[in-house]
Amino acid sequence: KAGVTQTPRYLIKTRGQQVTLSCSPISGHRSVSWYQQTPGQGLQFLFEYFSETQRNKGNFPGRFSGRQFSNSRSEMNVSTLELGDSALYLCASSPSSGARQPQHFGDGTRLSIL
Amino acid sequence: QQPVQSPQAVILREGEDAVINCSSSKALYSVHWYRQKHGEAPVFLMILLKGGEQKGHDKISASFNEKKQQSSLYLTASQLSYSGTYFCGTEKETSGSRLTFGEGTQLTVNP
Repeated sequence: KAGVTQTPRYLIKTRGQQVTLSCSPISGHRSVSWYQQTPGQGLQFLFEYFSETQRNKGNFPGRFSGRQFSNSRSEMNVSTLELGDSALYLCASSPSSGARQPQHFGDGTRLSIL
Repeated sequence: QQPVQSPQAVILREGEDAVINCSSSKALYSVHWYRQKHGEAPVFLMILLKGGEQKGHDKISASFNEKKQQSSLYLTASQLSYSGTYFCGTEKETSGSRLTFGEGTQLTVNP
């Protein structure tokens, strides 16, 4: 069974640009959560999508948005990039919504802002 | 509010035991444990639910004290492969599906 796939693995952008990251969950998983990981802040929850609906949202500005498609694939968009957005962005999938089940993480997209 | 993990780092020799703790000031519904090796994705280890249910690997043991809102991960007879950063993620009773992670405990197992 294929794991969670995130693309691209690495991305370099400049301040002010926007970026879209993609996440394909494990087949059959309908919930996708996104996290930002930085050395100083650890793993910070961004949002969760289930059945194309945002179920939960973390404390991030509106520049961070996401969506989920009917095949459960999810995208995350960050607009007007800032230097502080440099981080590893991880997505995790689970069969259904709710944190009471294992989260299966992808390898992440490392975003660097110049 | 972020759970507090302790210790921040620990160094062991192969075969030694370790305990990693995770505490929260909020009422919790579940506690998750993950291990992340450098440059890799976090890997699920264990979920402990309010009420005593546990889901996880047979070789990993953990506890969840609901009264104190504390969880502990027990690593016995450590192996080199146990090295990595261990994260606890907590779900509050009122947070829905949102996990809040601690800052991690870096575990190094030496030969």
